[in-house]
Amino acid sequence: EDQVTQSPEALRLQEGESSSLNCSYTVSGLRGLFWYRQDPGKGPEFLFTLYSAGEEKEKERLKATLTKKESFLHITAPKPEDSATYLCAVANNNAGNMLTFGGGTRLMVKP
Amino acid sequence: SQTIHQWPATLVQPVGSPLSLECTVEGTSNPNLYWYRQAAGRGLQLLFYSVGIGQISSEVPQNLSASRPQDRQFILSSKKLLLSDSGFYLCASGTARDSPLHFGNGTRLTVT
Repeated sequence: EDQVTQSPEALRLQEGESSSLNCSYTVSGLRGLFWYRQDPGKGPEFLFTLYSAGEEKEKERLKATLTKKESFLHITAPKPEDSATYLCAVANNNAGNMLTFGGGTRLMVKP
Repeated sequence: SQTIHQWPATLVQPVGSPLSLECTVEGTSNPNLYWYRQAAGRGLQLLFYSVGIGQISSEVPQNLSASRPQDRQFILSSKKLLLSDSGFYLCASGTARDSPLHFGNGTRLTVT
């Protein structure tokens, strides 16, 4: 059974204070690892897909990296508008585009 | 790009009442469709998925059911709601094998 664990559950940062969110996973044949951002009361918004260990993707202040057991979402010099819940999910080779999600990390950036 | 519409946005229903949540997809054809439920402050739990009209797979035993009467329409139903059915229900659509899932903005269901 595929499993995804995210840590920490919640993270408070000052504006400009860089940090990383962790996503540990076990999957029977990784097809892709996905990061989403979710604002309160909204559906998740797609950020990145990573397919193989060593791959990195960047978007503005966010950079996602992948190893064989975990993924990190690095946030550089965050701004208050980066406050949201960040969700990690995996898809295995036998499940089409079905995703198994972690519990999320709630990020709060204070000005 | 595809757009997923869900309605209603919020719903308050008494225990024992029926439920019908609708999801429609624009901008794509023959998508894989999914219903997820999210408890407060938690991750997403897969409830149902469909790879085509009339084809439904259930991931979690429960008193909910799903139907797909048209290619881009996915419906979540219940004959009698339980308190434990409260949550945030999200519809998602996926097309090509390596494409990410796209989500609607969800329905917040409160069973009282």
